[in-house]
Amino acid sequence: GENVEQHPSTLSVQEGDSAVIKCTYSDSASNYFPWYKQELGKRPQLIIDIRSNVGEKKDQRIAVTLNKTAKHFSLHITETQPEDSAVYFCAASNRERGYSTLTFGKGTMLLVSP
Amino acid sequence: DTEVTQTPKHLVMGMTNKKSLKCEQHMGHRAMYWYKQKAKKPPELMFVYSYEKLSINESVPSRFSPECPNSSLLNLHLHALQPEDSALYLCASSQDAGAGRAQHFGDGTRLSIL
Repeated sequence: GENVEQHPSTLSVQEGDSAVIKCTYSDSASNYFPWYKQELGKRPQLIIDIRSNVGEKKDQRIAVTLNKTAKHFSLHITETQPEDSAVYFCAASNRERGYSTLTFGKGTMLLVSP
Repeated sequence: DTEVTQTPKHLVMGMTNKKSLKCEQHMGHRAMYWYKQKAKKPPELMFVYSYEKLSINESVPSRFSPECPNSSLLNLHLHALQPEDSALYLCASSQDAGAGRAQHFGDGTRLSIL
Protein backbone atom coordinates (compact mmCIF):
# COMPACT_ATOMS: atom_id res chain seq x y z
CA GLY A 1 0.00 0.00 0.00
CA GLU A 2 0.85 3.67 -0.13
CA ASN A 3 3.20 5.20 2.43
CA VAL A 4 3.50 8.96 2.95
CA GLU A 5 6.39 10.50 4.86
CA GLN A 6 6.09 14.12 6.05
CA HIS A 7 8.77 16.45 7.38
CA PRO A 8 9.36 18.29 9.58
CA SER A 9 7.13 17.23 12.45
CA THR A 10 7.35 20.71 13.97
CA LEU A 11 8.18 24.00 12.31
CA SER A 12 8.56 27.32 14.10
CA VAL A 13 8.83 30.56 12.12
CA GLN A 14 8.55 34.26 12.73
CA GLU A 15 5.60 36.15 11.34
CA GLY A 16 6.33 37.18 7.77
CA ASP A 17 8.75 34.33 7.11
CA SER A 18 8.09 31.52 4.65
CA ALA A 19 7.34 27.95 5.68
CA VAL A 20 7.93 24.80 3.66
CA ILE A 21 6.59 21.33 4.47
CA LYS A 22 7.73 18.34 2.46
CA CYS A 23 6.15 14.97 1.77
CA THR A 24 7.23 11.88 -0.12
CA TYR A 25 5.05 9.03 -1.30
CA SER A 26 5.83 5.48 -2.34
CA ASP A 27 3.15 4.44 -4.85
CA SER A 28 3.76 5.79 -8.33
CA ALA A 29 0.06 5.20 -9.08
CA SER A 30 -0.96 7.97 -6.67
CA ASN A 31 -2.41 10.83 -8.67
CA TYR A 32 -3.97 13.32 -6.27
CA PHE A 33 -2.28 15.18 -3.42
CA PRO A 34 -4.33 17.34 -1.04
CA TRP A 35 -3.14 19.39 1.91
CA TYR A 36 -5.24 19.84 5.02
CA LYS A 37 -4.96 22.39 7.81
CA GLN A 38 -6.28 21.38 11.21
CA GLU A 39 -6.54 23.91 13.99
CA LEU A 40 -6.80 22.66 17.54
CA GLY A 41 -10.20 21.05 18.16
CA LYS A 42 -11.38 21.65 14.61
CA ARG A 43 -11.87 19.65 11.46
CA PRO A 44 -9.20 19.07 8.81
CA GLN A 45 -9.79 21.80 6.23
CA LEU A 46 -8.73 21.28 2.63
CA ILE A 47 -6.50 24.26 1.75
CA ILE A 48 -5.00 23.27 -1.58
CA ASP A 49 -4.61 20.19 -3.75
CA ILE A 50 -2.73 19.17 -6.87
CA ARG A 51 -3.23 16.49 -9.44
CA SER A 52 -0.50 14.46 -11.05
CA ASN A 53 -0.73 16.21 -14.41
CA VAL A 54 0.30 19.54 -12.83
CA GLY A 55 3.67 20.55 -11.41
CA GLU A 56 2.68 23.58 -9.36
CA LYS A 57 -0.42 25.30 -8.08
CA LYS A 58 -0.82 28.59 -6.23
CA ASP A 59 -3.60 30.15 -4.20
CA GLN A 60 -2.66 33.53 -2.74
CA ARG A 61 -0.02 32.88 -0.05
CA ILE A 62 0.05 29.11 -0.41
CA ALA A 63 1.48 26.96 -3.17
CA VAL A 64 2.09 23.30 -3.75
CA THR A 65 4.72 21.74 -5.98
CA LEU A 66 4.83 18.17 -7.23
CA ASN A 67 7.77 16.18 -8.57
CA LYS A 68 6.37 12.92 -9.90
CA THR A 69 9.75 11.52 -10.84
CA ALA A 70 11.09 11.91 -7.33
CA LYS A 71 7.68 11.19 -5.78
CA HIS A 72 7.64 14.18 -3.55
CA PHE A 73 5.44 17.23 -3.08
CA SER A 74 5.74 20.31 -0.93
CA LEU A 75 3.57 23.01 0.63
CA HIS A 76 4.89 26.55 0.60
CA ILE A 77 3.37 29.30 2.74
CA THR A 78 4.68 32.82 2.23
CA GLU A 79 4.29 35.84 4.52
CA THR A 80 3.17 33.63 7.39
CA GLN A 81 0.71 35.00 9.93
CA PRO A 82 -0.12 33.83 13.47
CA GLU A 83 -3.43 32.45 12.20
CA ASP A 84 -1.46 30.05 10.01
CA SER A 85 -0.50 28.20 13.19
CA ALA A 86 -2.02 24.73 12.97
CA VAL A 87 -1.21 21.12 12.12
CA TYR A 88 -0.81 20.53 8.40
CA PHE A 89 -1.36 17.09 6.86
CA CYS A 90 -0.34 16.04 3.40
CA ALA A 91 -2.03 13.10 1.73
CA ALA A 92 -1.76 10.97 -1.38
CA SER A 93 -4.65 9.32 -3.16
CA ASN A 94 -4.80 6.27 -5.34
CA ARG A 95 -7.39 3.71 -6.23
CA GLU A 96 -7.37 1.03 -3.58
CA ARG A 97 -9.66 -1.86 -4.37
CA GLY A 98 -11.32 0.23 -7.05
CA TYR A 99 -12.01 3.27 -4.85
CA SER A 100 -9.88 6.31 -4.22
CA THR A 101 -8.60 6.54 -0.68
CA LEU A 102 -6.33 9.00 1.10
CA THR A 103 -3.12 8.07 2.89
CA PHE A 104 -2.03 10.83 5.24
CA GLY A 105 1.37 11.91 6.41
CA LYS A 106 1.92 12.18 10.16
CA GLY A 107 1.45 15.93 10.20
CA THR A 108 3.50 19.07 10.77
CA MET A 109 2.76 21.43 13.61
CA LEU A 110 3.42 24.96 12.33
CA LEU A 111 3.93 27.66 14.95
CA VAL A 112 4.03 31.26 13.73
CA SER A 113 5.29 33.70 16.34
CA PRO A 114 4.24 37.37 16.17
CA ASP B 1 -20.05 26.37 0.53
CA THR B 2 -19.17 22.77 1.26
CA GLU B 3 -20.57 21.52 4.53
CA VAL B 4 -20.65 18.22 6.33
CA THR B 5 -22.50 18.28 9.64
CA GLN B 6 -21.95 15.78 12.41
CA THR B 7 -23.91 15.15 15.60
CA PRO B 8 -23.36 15.01 18.45
CA LYS B 9 -20.24 17.16 18.88
CA HIS B 10 -19.32 15.37 22.09
CA LEU B 11 -20.34 11.96 23.43
CA VAL B 12 -19.46 10.23 26.66
CA MET B 13 -20.55 6.63 27.00
CA GLY B 14 -19.93 3.58 29.09
CA MET B 15 -18.58 0.36 27.67
CA THR B 16 -22.00 -1.29 27.76
CA ASN B 17 -23.91 1.53 26.10
CA LYS B 18 -25.24 1.69 22.55
CA LYS B 19 -25.06 5.00 20.77
CA SER B 20 -24.97 6.33 17.22
CA LEU B 21 -23.01 9.05 15.45
CA LYS B 22 -24.68 10.89 12.61
CA CYS B 23 -23.32 12.65 9.54
CA GLU B 24 -25.21 14.60 6.92
CA GLN B 25 -24.26 16.36 3.70
CA HIS B 26 -26.41 18.12 1.12
CA MET B 27 -23.82 18.64 -1.58
CA GLY B 28 -25.06 15.75 -3.70
CA HIS B 29 -21.91 13.80 -2.91
CA ARG B 30 -22.10 10.06 -3.55
CA ALA B 31 -19.11 8.95 -1.47
CA MET B 32 -18.96 9.21 2.30
CA TYR B 33 -16.27 8.18 4.75
CA TRP B 34 -15.72 7.51 8.43
CA TYR B 35 -12.31 8.28 9.94
CA LYS B 36 -10.94 7.89 13.45
CA GLN B 37 -8.41 10.42 14.71
CA LYS B 38 -6.39 10.08 17.89
CA ALA B 39 -4.67 13.08 19.42
CA LYS B 40 -1.66 14.35 17.43
CA LYS B 41 -2.20 11.70 14.75
CA PRO B 42 -3.56 11.86 11.20
CA PRO B 43 -7.08 10.67 10.37
CA GLU B 44 -7.29 6.91 9.95
CA LEU B 45 -9.78 5.54 7.44
CA MET B 46 -12.45 3.20 8.78
CA PHE B 47 -15.15 2.87 6.13
CA VAL B 48 -15.95 4.04 2.62
CA TYR B 49 -19.46 4.21 1.19
CA SER B 50 -19.94 4.68 -2.52
CA TYR B 51 -23.47 5.20 -3.83
CA GLU B 52 -24.87 4.06 -0.47
CA LYS B 53 -22.97 0.79 -0.64
CA LEU B 54 -20.23 -0.17 1.81
CA SER B 55 -17.16 -0.38 -0.41
CA ILE B 56 -14.24 -0.48 1.99
CA ASN B 57 -14.03 -1.71 5.57
CA GLU B 58 -10.51 -1.25 6.90
CA SER B 59 -10.75 -4.29 9.19
CA VAL B 60 -12.69 -2.31 11.76
CA PRO B 61 -13.94 -4.26 14.81
CA SER B 62 -17.59 -5.25 14.66
CA ARG B 63 -18.41 -3.05 17.66
CA PHE B 64 -18.46 -0.27 15.02
CA SER B 65 -21.34 -0.71 12.59
CA PRO B 66 -21.79 1.77 9.73
CA GLU B 67 -25.04 2.47 7.95
CA CYS B 68 -25.94 4.63 4.97
CA PRO B 69 -29.74 5.09 4.93
CA ASN B 70 -29.65 7.39 1.89
CA SER B 71 -27.23 9.42 -0.18
CA SER B 72 -27.17 12.30 2.33
CA LEU B 73 -26.86 10.42 5.60
CA LEU B 74 -24.21 8.27 7.20
CA ASN B 75 -24.45 6.71 10.63
CA LEU B 76 -21.96 4.92 12.83
CA HIS B 77 -23.54 2.65 15.42
CA LEU B 78 -21.46 1.98 18.50
CA HIS B 79 -21.79 -0.91 20.92
CA ALA B 80 -19.57 -2.36 23.63
CA LEU B 81 -16.73 0.04 22.95
CA GLN B 82 -13.39 -0.07 24.71
CA PRO B 83 -11.50 2.82 26.35
CA GLU B 84 -9.01 2.80 23.47
CA ASP B 85 -11.87 3.71 21.13
CA SER B 86 -11.91 7.19 22.65
CA ALA B 87 -11.04 9.52 19.76
CA LEU B 88 -12.37 12.13 17.36
CA TYR B 89 -14.60 10.49 14.76
CA LEU B 90 -14.67 12.37 11.50
CA CYS B 91 -17.07 12.04 8.62
CA ALA B 92 -16.09 13.18 5.13
CA SER B 93 -17.72 13.26 1.74
CA SER B 94 -16.63 13.63 -1.87
CA GLN B 95 -18.33 13.91 -5.22
CA ASP B 96 -17.73 10.21 -5.68
CA ALA B 97 -14.97 7.74 -4.87
CA GLY B 98 -13.24 8.21 -8.20
CA ALA B 99 -9.70 9.43 -8.78
CA GLY B 100 -8.75 12.88 -7.59
CA ARG B 101 -11.92 13.73 -5.69
CA ALA B 102 -11.56 16.24 -2.89
CA GLN B 103 -12.76 15.03 0.49
CA HIS B 104 -14.45 17.52 2.81
CA PHE B 105 -14.60 16.82 6.52
CA GLY B 106 -17.17 17.53 9.18
CA ASP B 107 -16.25 18.92 12.59
CA GLY B 108 -16.27 15.46 14.12
CA THR B 109 -17.68 13.83 17.23
CA ARG B 110 -15.35 13.69 20.19
CA LEU B 111 -16.04 10.35 21.82
CA SER B 112 -14.99 9.39 25.34
CA ILE B 113 -15.43 5.86 26.63
CA LEU B 114 -15.57 5.50 30.38
